[in-house]
Amino acid sequence: AQSVAQPEDQVNVAEGNPLTVKCTYSVSGNPYLFWYVQYPNRGLQFLLKYITGDNLVKGSYGFEAEFNKSQTSFHLKKPSALVSDSALYFCAPYGQAGTALIFGKGTTLSVSS
Amino acid sequence: NAGVMQNPRHLVRRRGQEARLRCSPMKGHSHVYWYRQLPEEGLKFMVYLQKENIIDESGMPKERFSAEFPKEGPSILRIQQVVRGDSAAYFCASSPMAGLVIDEQFFGPGTRLTVL
Repeated sequence: AQSVAQPEDQVNVAEGNPLTVKCTYSVSGNPYLFWYVQYPNRGLQFLLKYITGDNLVKGSYGFEAEFNKSQTSFHLKKPSALVSDSALYFCAPYGQAGTALIFGKGTTLSVSS
Repeated sequence: NAGVMQNPRHLVRRRGQEARLRCSPMKGHSHVYWYRQLPEEGLKFMVYLQKENIIDESGMPKERFSAEFPKEGPSILRIQQVVRGDSAAYFCASSPMAGLVIDEQFFGPGTRLTVL
């Protein structure tokens, strides 16, 4: 079965510090992995994706993610957090049929000033 | 290029009424997905449609829910005889060519349905 896990419901970090939001996945076949961010009462915004190639993927707003096949992980990172990064983050692999993204509950990132 | 449009943004219905949620995909996108976000939960896939075709409805409840994407006009998610458990945020997403899994999906702002 296809699944995704974000083990931390909430991540707290001080502004200027590096942040990591963890994600592990379970898919059959090649993994196609996405990160989205959701601000309160808004839709989801695409951040970055891994399809193939370089394991370090760079995305919007200074975010990047590292694909690790052996650990089946795709952690989201940013070298220096901003208060405006505070939001709900979703890691989402494509399901086996390739038609639907699989979402977990997400991780709430809180950046304090 | 306007993004994915959804209306209404907020919808209040009483139990037993019908709810119609509309989604206009981004220009040039012919593939639409509907997801539901229940309170304190992630998004759950409901249905994937192309113009005039339902491709995957594996996430759609068997009763009371239906979806369409006509040749002309927006995609419609219809919920008949709503119950309180239908209260949720419903998101529509579109992509240019699904089946090419490299495509990201672009999400609309959502419709927040409240059933009284």
